[in-house]
Amino acid sequence: DVVLTQTPLSSPVTLGQPASISCRSSQSLVYSDGNTYLNWLHQRPGQPPRLLIYKVSNRFSGVPDRFSGSGAGTDFTLKISRVEAEDVGVYYCMQVTQFPYTFGQGTKLEIK
Amino acid sequence: EVQLVQSGAEVKKPGESLKISCQGSGYNFTNYWIGWVRQMPGKGLEYMGIIYPGDSDTRYNPSFQGQVTISVDKSIATAYLQWSSLKASDSAMYYCARRARVDSWGQGTLVTVSS
Repeated sequence: DVVLTQTPLSSPVTLGQPASISCRSSQSLVYSDGNTYLNWLHQRPGQPPRLLIYKVSNRFSGVPDRFSGSGAGTDFTLKISRVEAEDVGVYYCMQVTQFPYTFGQGTKLEIK
Repeated sequence: EVQLVQSGAEVKKPGESLKISCQGSGYNFTNYWIGWVRQMPGKGLEYMGIIYPGDSDTRYNPSFQGQVTISVDKSIATAYLQWSSLKASDSAMYYCARRARVDSWGQGTLVTVSS
């Protein structure tokens, strides 16, 4: 299985400041069609996860533009340009290049 | 609006069987894969398996193969996750999610298995 390792596991951030989460894969996530199928999800307490970013850098419908994704091959990053109170929760990277699909351990974002 | 609505919370005893559901609406249910994700209390997400409603093609995460059965009834736009003999370790929140992109999620079904 593909192992995704997120860092940090916890990130205290000041409102209005940027935040960054890294996701490293145990193997390349480039699929045979040339696309890289790496998603980023956000889960608030007591709620289901929701999709933020798909295929590394594509913001899903309705996701604020303060969220951005980047990376290639085995190294990926989610950035929040200016953290807002509603951004608290756990962020997961998820690869859907190879089955079984796998998730990172999650990064808990909290406000300082 | 794409929606996935899951069945309600369940409390079961070890050894009992269970089938939970996920009904899709707002899109052509037949054309999109539906997957199941487990989240144990206080833990992360685990992808269990996925089914294509059009032809019932099903793929299981080897970690869950033989432990659960995923099925679908496309006539009522509903996917299912079932257990024949529950264990206490099956206690978790279970989510359905549309396609590999996981662009839409059900609200979750909490399964509690306790004697």
